[in-house]
Amino acid sequence: AQSVTQLGSHVSVSEGALVLLRCNYSSSVPPYLFWYVQYPNQGLQLLLKYTTGATLVKGINGFEAEFKKSETSFHLTKPSAHMSDAAEYFCAVSEVNTGRRALTFGSGTRLQVQP
Amino acid sequence: GAGVSQSPRYKVAKRGQDVALRCDPISGHVSLFWYQQALGQGPEFLTYFQNEAQLDKSGLPSDRFFAERPEGSVSTLKIQRTQQEDSAVYLCASSLVVGTGERNTQYFGPGTRLTVL
Repeated sequence: AQSVTQLGSHVSVSEGALVLLRCNYSSSVPPYLFWYVQYPNQGLQLLLKYTTGATLVKGINGFEAEFKKSETSFHLTKPSAHMSDAAEYFCAVSEVNTGRRALTFGSGTRLQVQP
Repeated sequence: GAGVSQSPRYKVAKRGQDVALRCDPISGHVSLFWYQQALGQGPEFLTYFQNEAQLDKSGLPSDRFFAERPEGSVSTLKIQRTQQEDSAVYLCASSLVVGTGERNTQYFGPGTRLTVL
């Protein structure tokens, strides 16, 4: 079974500082990888995803993530945090070539942005 | 176009009551998923439909949980004899095509927050 680990349930950065949210997965076959953002009382919005091809993926709102197979990681970064980035971020994976469609999510990281 | 919509947005039920949660997926989307998100946790998979067929219900926590999608569009998640541990946000997601990968992005609705007293 797959699992997703997000290190740090809470991350606080200053406005303008680098954002780094960590995600590691456990899977015998590299899965498809996703980052979703959730604002209060809203559903999940896709930030970016990796399926195949270039391992550095750019998403919306200036976020990007890099798939590192050797480290089984898919960390999310943004060079300069904005107040509007404050939200809950979820890393998720889906299996490749098994027919299982469901996403497996990490437990989330709450990002706070200090003025 | 409209995204995934869910109703009601908030539901309070007394323990033992039955509840029904509705999901309207994006028009034309073949796949539909239900997830349960407990407070402070990530969403957990409940069940999956491809059109009207329920192909995976491995995540349903008990036989009190039942989901249907009779015409391959709107879906209803029903919980019978609700318990306090059923309190959570129930999220619905839809995707355009079958399969995994590039074209199978799941789009989420705002969720229904269920509180069982």
